[in-house]
Amino acid sequence: AQSVTQLDSQVPVFEEAPVELRCNYSSSVSVYLFWYVQYPNQGLQLLLKYLSGSTLVESINGFEAEFNKSQTSFHLRKPSVHISDTAEYFCAVSLMNTGFQKLVFGTGTRLLVSP
Amino acid sequence: DVKVTQSSRYLVKRTGEKVFLECVQDMDHENMFWYRQDPGLGLRLIYFSYDVKMKEKGDIPEGYSVSREKKERFSLILESASTNQTSMYLCASSFLAGELFFGEGSRLTVL
Repeated sequence: AQSVTQLDSQVPVFEEAPVELRCNYSSSVSVYLFWYVQYPNQGLQLLLKYLSGSTLVESINGFEAEFNKSQTSFHLRKPSVHISDTAEYFCAVSLMNTGFQKLVFGTGTRLLVSP
Repeated sequence: DVKVTQSSRYLVKRTGEKVFLECVQDMDHENMFWYRQDPGLGLRLIYFSYDVKMKEKGDIPEGYSVSREKKERFSLILESASTNQTSMYLCASSFLAGELFFGEGSRLTVL
């Protein structure tokens, strides 16, 4: 069975600093990978996803993640964070070639951006 | 835009009560899911459904049941609520591989 590890439960950072949120997964078969974001008192929203093709994927608000198959990682990065990026971020994985979509989520990383 | 609506944002129930959490999606998605979210544990899958009247157990189905009588509606049922079921419950739906659309969540407190 696949699993997802987010080593950092909380990452404090100053505004305009770079940030990396780490995500590692384990699976014996090929996977799809996702990052979801949860703002306070809201549900989860898809931030970006890797299904196939280029291993570097980007979101519309400046985040990017790179799929590294050899290291089984899908770390999320942003070169300069904003106060509004304060949220909880969840990495998720699902198996390719399944008839339906069942995601396994990591435990989440809370990003705290301060002025 | 896809919309997943959960009927109640906040509920307070007593131990032993029967609890219904309703979820409706408006995009004709085949797949629907119920997750439970707890601090430090992330999201854990309770049940999912890939078609009307079809259901599959997730990772933590004990103490829960579900109903999917119509494609757009997926209900989570707690037959006899207990204090350890105090949590945030998230409903989601999907069609294609990968992208789940989530509701805003239902925060349940069991006293």
